[in-house]
Amino acid sequence: ETGVTQSPTHLIKTRGQQVTLRCSSQSGHNTVSWYQQALGQGPQFIFQYYREEENGRGNFPPRFSGLQFPNYSSELNVNALELDDSALYLCATGTGDFYEQYFGPGTRLTVT
Amino acid sequence: QKEVEQNSGPLSVPEGAIASLNCTYSDRVSQSFFWYRQYSGKSPELIMSIYSNGDKEDGRFTAQLNKASQYVSLLIRDSQPSDSATYLCAVNGNRGSTLGRLYFGRGTQLTVWP
Repeated sequence: ETGVTQSPTHLIKTRGQQVTLRCSSQSGHNTVSWYQQALGQGPQFIFQYYREEENGRGNFPPRFSGLQFPNYSSELNVNALELDDSALYLCATGTGDFYEQYFGPGTRLTVT
Repeated sequence: QKEVEQNSGPLSVPEGAIASLNCTYSDRVSQSFFWYRQYSGKSPELIMSIYSNGDKEDGRFTAQLNKASQYVSLLIRDSQPSDSATYLCAVNGNRGSTLGRLYFGRGTQLTVWP
């Protein structure tokens, strides 16, 4: 297992609500990326943080936002939840070399 | 938009056989390639990384990369029922703002039957 942790494990929200997901980085990793994985699909890149700044963003609307903290942990915030936001949300951490990335266990979000 | 394509599967092999998983990618300048294994209901687990043309072996796993053909594969020798999972091919975007971003295929579901 990697040293990457995520919380919560599961979450059920209602359409229109807001949600915050958390990720703690593996020791020595200073880069964190967030991915969304719908059922039967590969993970889709949301955005990446390096040294507390956003370092690339995928094709996701602005209601998806994030933060990285000085200890390299990170948050993903999603506002105005939609039914299509139901998915497994994964964070992956790595070093500044941007090569290998290691995933946390994920947060399963269900929007009803 | 970078594309990563994997053989559609599902792939079913008997225990002890060689499982062959294939992946093609669209961006010729991609430099880093990865295979992840994902068990049902779990998150992806990195099992192989490859950066240079040729073969890279790690235990029962061999990754093969051919940049000229934009092709990467994973061979699993002596397949075991515990290898039954979805295998995801990932390519690292390495230009400008996409540095560090992984592009994934949809995955190939492998079943190894006893």
